[in-house]
Amino acid sequence: KQEVTQIPAALSVPEGENLVLNCSFTDSAIYNLQWFRQDPGKGLTSLLLIQSSQREQTSGRLNASLDKSSGRSTLYIAASQPGDSATYLCAVSGNTPLVFGKGTRLSVIA
Amino acid sequence: GAVVSQHPSWVICKSGTSVKIECRSLDFQATTMFWYRQFPKQSLMLMATSNEGSKATYEQGVEKDKFLINHASLTLSTLTVTSAHPEDSSFYICSARDTGKETQYFGPGTRLLVL
Repeated sequence: KQEVTQIPAALSVPEGENLVLNCSFTDSAIYNLQWFRQDPGKGLTSLLLIQSSQREQTSGRLNASLDKSSGRSTLYIAASQPGDSATYLCAVSGNTPLVFGKGTRLSVIA
Repeated sequence: GAVVSQHPSWVICKSGTSVKIECRSLDFQATTMFWYRQFPKQSLMLMATSNEGSKATYEQGVEKDKFLINHASLTLSTLTVTSAHPEDSSFYICSARDTGKETQYFGPGTRLLVL
């Protein structure tokens, strides 16, 4: 059974810092991995999707990497802003529908 | 991009009533839709997979008679919480998979509060 773990569970940083969120999964037989953002009481916004054959994806200040063999992904956020404050969820897709981690709650302090 | 809508966005009801939540794919056809539930500060937990024209597949521990799912068309799936109780209060999110593709697109969620 696929399990997804995200570390840390919560993170607070001053504005302008670069930061890394971690995601690990137990079954490396995945089709893709997605990073989502969720604001309080809201739905999910897809940030980046990495296919199993890819190593990384970039969008603006966000960069996500994937090491399928070790079961790890990282989400790098450059020059963080208060507007980046949200919960970031990692999810993997394989033979089962998306399996989500519990998320990392990010607070960027102005 | 692909858009998925949910209605209503929030609902408050009395214990014992039934609540129907709609999930629509607005600009694509979705053979498969998924229903998730999210409790406060927890991650999304898959409840069931809904396939157009056939019975839904429920995850272990999810009561199919309590959470009725209907996927009668390629753009609409409904989740009915029957005889809702306070412990059913949660955030319900649907997603839809564009037919023939892997990507799931998520709806904005429906917050249910059962008094």
